[in-house]
Amino acid sequence: DAGVTQSPTHLIKTRGQQVTLRCSPKSGHDTVSWYQQALGQGPQFIFQYYEEEERQRGNFPDRFSGHQFPNYSSELNVNALLLGDSALYLCASSFGDDRGYEQYFGPGTRLTVT
Amino acid sequence: RKEVEQDPGPFNVPEGATVAFNCTYSNSASQSFFWYRQDCRKEPKLLMSVYSSGNEDGRFTAQLNRASQYISLLIRDSKLSDSATYLCVVIPNTGGFKTIFGAGTRLFVKA
Repeated sequence: DAGVTQSPTHLIKTRGQQVTLRCSPKSGHDTVSWYQQALGQGPQFIFQYYEEEERQRGNFPDRFSGHQFPNYSSELNVNALLLGDSALYLCASSFGDDRGYEQYFGPGTRLTVT
Repeated sequence: RKEVEQDPGPFNVPEGATVAFNCTYSNSASQSFFWYRQDCRKEPKLLMSVYSSGNEDGRFTAQLNRASQYISLLIRDSKLSDSATYLCVVIPNTGGFKTIFGAGTRLFVKA
């Protein structure tokens, strides 16, 4: 039973560029949440996708957008990258009808913006 | 004030010690609480949920105090393998699904 997978593992981008990160949820899960974790901080909620729609959003600018596909996998897109976007981006999957139920995290994508 | 605040740490304890972490939250209507564990450069993993009546899982005990808006995690008989960052997690009762993590408390258990 595959857990949550994310790709790529590492990424280096230049300021102003755009990036797309990908996530496949744990088998059976239909909900995907994305988090940004800066060094020494806890994960910050970006948004959550359920039934191919953004269900809730955290305090992130519109440069951060996402998508969920019919197979429940998801993408996180970040436009006009800033140096401050350098972080570990975590994807977590869960069951959509159990608010607060256990979230399973993927290994993350480490993004470096230079 | 941050929505979720934790002891900054780090905590350095010898094997066998008992250690307690505290976490406070600002939204009194918050409904769900958890402790996650995160090893260095790894993803967070659920350690335990926190229930109003308190709950225990082996050496780990979690408590919730709604009146004072804090939750705690007690680790008894610390093991070297307990060394990690412990993250307090709160889900506010705002009709949504936003999950709020604390900044984490780092624990080092030494032989």
